[in-house]
Amino acid sequence: AQKVTQAQTEISVVEKEDVTLDCVYETRDTTYYLFWYKQPPSGELVFLIRRNSFDEQNEISGRYSWNFQKSTSSFNFTITASQVVDSAVYFCALSYTGGFKTIFGAGTRLFVKA
Amino acid sequence: DAGVIQSPRHEVTEMGQEVTLRCKPISGHNSLFWYRQTMMRGLELLIYFNNNVPIDDSGMPEDRFSAKMPNASFSTLKIQPSEPRDSAVYFCASSFLASGRAGELFFGEGSRLTVL
Repeated sequence: AQKVTQAQTEISVVEKEDVTLDCVYETRDTTYYLFWYKQPPSGELVFLIRRNSFDEQNEISGRYSWNFQKSTSSFNFTITASQVVDSAVYFCALSYTGGFKTIFGAGTRLFVKA
Repeated sequence: DAGVIQSPRHEVTEMGQEVTLRCKPISGHNSLFWYRQTMMRGLELLIYFNNNVPIDDSGMPEDRFSAKMPNASFSTLKIQPSEPRDSAVYFCASSFLASGRAGELFFGEGSRLTVL
């Protein structure tokens, strides 16, 4: 079965704290893609990062970093020195069948308090 | 470049009425997806098209839902008759497969549907 699990429903942190959002996936495909999307309170869905199944290199973009581990089927997302503007719902997603079908996890709602 | 354009942004209707949601994908994209978002079920993939052809509609909840893509620049999602449980935000997304960005979805702002 193809599945994305985000076990953390809500996380609350104080500004400047680091926070890690967990994502575990299941797929039978050998070629697949993993994503993180952000949904701020305004409601739109914003692409953050894409990783293909053959590239396990971690990635850092400013305060954001991603850790992809095939051995544990995980694709975790860390925000360093969180800011109030990071408050949003974050979705992990899995794309398979050549990128045609993308399913989403339930999302993790992040509250960053000033 | 214009992003994915959805209309209407908000729709309030009464049970039993027909609802049509519209989507204009990003020019040049060859795949289009309809998702529904609710608090209870999260983001659900309803149907997706590739080169205007429906590929997988297994996520369409029932026969009251139908989707069409008559050309590369337009798609509709129709609910007839509508029911209160159809209340949700419906997102359209487009993508360009066969590129180095396979699977990356560009979302519209969503259509919030309320069925009374």
